[in-house]
Amino acid sequence: GESVGLHLPTLSVQEGDNSIINCAYSNSASDYFIWYKQESGKGPQFIIDIRSNMDKRQGQRVTVLLNKTVKHLSLQIAATQPGDSAVYFCAETEGGSYIPTFGRGTSLIVHP
Amino acid sequence: DTAVSQTPKYLVTQMGNDKSIKCEQNLGHDTMYWYKQDSKKFLKIMFSYNNKELIINETVPNRFSPKSPDKAHLNLHINSLELGDSAVYFCASSLLAGITDTQYFGPGTRLTVL
Repeated sequence: GESVGLHLPTLSVQEGDNSIINCAYSNSASDYFIWYKQESGKGPQFIIDIRSNMDKRQGQRVTVLLNKTVKHLSLQIAATQPGDSAVYFCAETEGGSYIPTFGRGTSLIVHP
Repeated sequence: DTAVSQTPKYLVTQMGNDKSIKCEQNLGHDTMYWYKQDSKKFLKIMFSYNNKELIINETVPNRFSPKSPDKAHLNLHINSLELGDSAVYFCASSLLAGITDTQYFGPGTRLTVL
């Protein structure tokens, strides 16, 4: 459901479940993508990145999938933990540009 | 020990005032950034400095003036504050210029303009 107060999409999961957070990007020329995690009261923190010449990249408990055809990015978190509760942002950039465009953000709530 | 630090953490002020936010990084990075995050959590880059030189200025009103006295510091001065300036401002740094280099964010400064 949607968090009306902040107008952020919200994903609620149980501890131990896998989470999938989605992001639709706007620029078909974007060639570099990043996922950030922002915990309450803190700054964004880099999680994982992917370049447009890849369609999948794995990190520790996280996987990013890129579908350039439909301009869609997803972040999969395996065995979600309460500490994963945060707002997750995707960001895109094009051709070595210094200027990232951030997505809307999704609030992930993990219930123990 | 904090990699990127900002002061103050909270700033409450009246419309029309002038205020500054300070940022320091002890990571030895060459590039620093200022971002603005509005009440809907929308995050947007404002400025970037590389080796004390401005490399990004994203259509920010000229009431906002960044100043980089050295590579480790990037301060943000705001003149004639307006209600719409209320937001959380994040400083960040990266080793090199460019989005592909991991950016490390500070804890943010919540600015409230009354």
